[in-house]
Amino acid sequence: GAVVSQHPSWVICKSGTSVKIECRSLDFQATTMFWYRQFPKQSLMLMATSNEGSKATYEQGVEKDKFLINHASLTLSTLTVTSAHPEDSSFYICSARDQGTYGYTFGSGTRLTVV
Amino acid sequence: QQQVKQSPQSLIVQKGGISIINCAYENTAFDYFPWYQQFPGKGPALLIAIRPDVSEKKEGRFTISFNKSAKQFSLHIMDSQPGDSATYFCAASMAGNQFYFGTGTSLTVIP
Repeated sequence: GAVVSQHPSWVICKSGTSVKIECRSLDFQATTMFWYRQFPKQSLMLMATSNEGSKATYEQGVEKDKFLINHASLTLSTLTVTSAHPEDSSFYICSARDQGTYGYTFGSGTRLTVV
Repeated sequence: QQQVKQSPQSLIVQKGGISIINCAYENTAFDYFPWYQQFPGKGPALLIAIRPDVSEKKEGRFTISFNKSAKQFSLHIMDSQPGDSATYFCAASMAGNQFYFGTGTSLTVIP
């Protein structure tokens, strides 16, 4: 089945530094990838939609300069949290849409802790 | 505005019992309704999904019931097991675009 690899699975960083999270579709091509944020015991909140080769579309209230998304190839999208602060601590999850089947697969998530 | 409403927020079921989680939606343009299972610290995993041209879909112990006129769909877990304890999310999407997730149901199956 379709597999999406997301890493790192967890990261601790100091306040003010930047963190990059990678999302790779291992056995299919993904023209569209989605980035979600999830707080404890809450649902997934869509942050942005990234399309290969074009700028990401951000949801209302999401700072595009803080959460940089790059989708340079059909198998890789990255989310960079710039100048991270403790309030950015969260669980970040990507999902990728298979270009051929339109099926969605989620990554395993990244737990970000900013200290 | 919450596009997909999910209930209950939490559910406790005895082993062997039936777990039922309900979702309702407003947008009649939605054409794909998946259910996801999420364990702590992990990403959601697709459990089962249905399209609006079918009223029921069964896969093993998991069944989706879909009521198009009422704009409701539900997940039934038969013979619930402790290993089913997880958070379940319903979702809806249209034309292969973004998913709208329900608020989640924390299921605990007690031995």
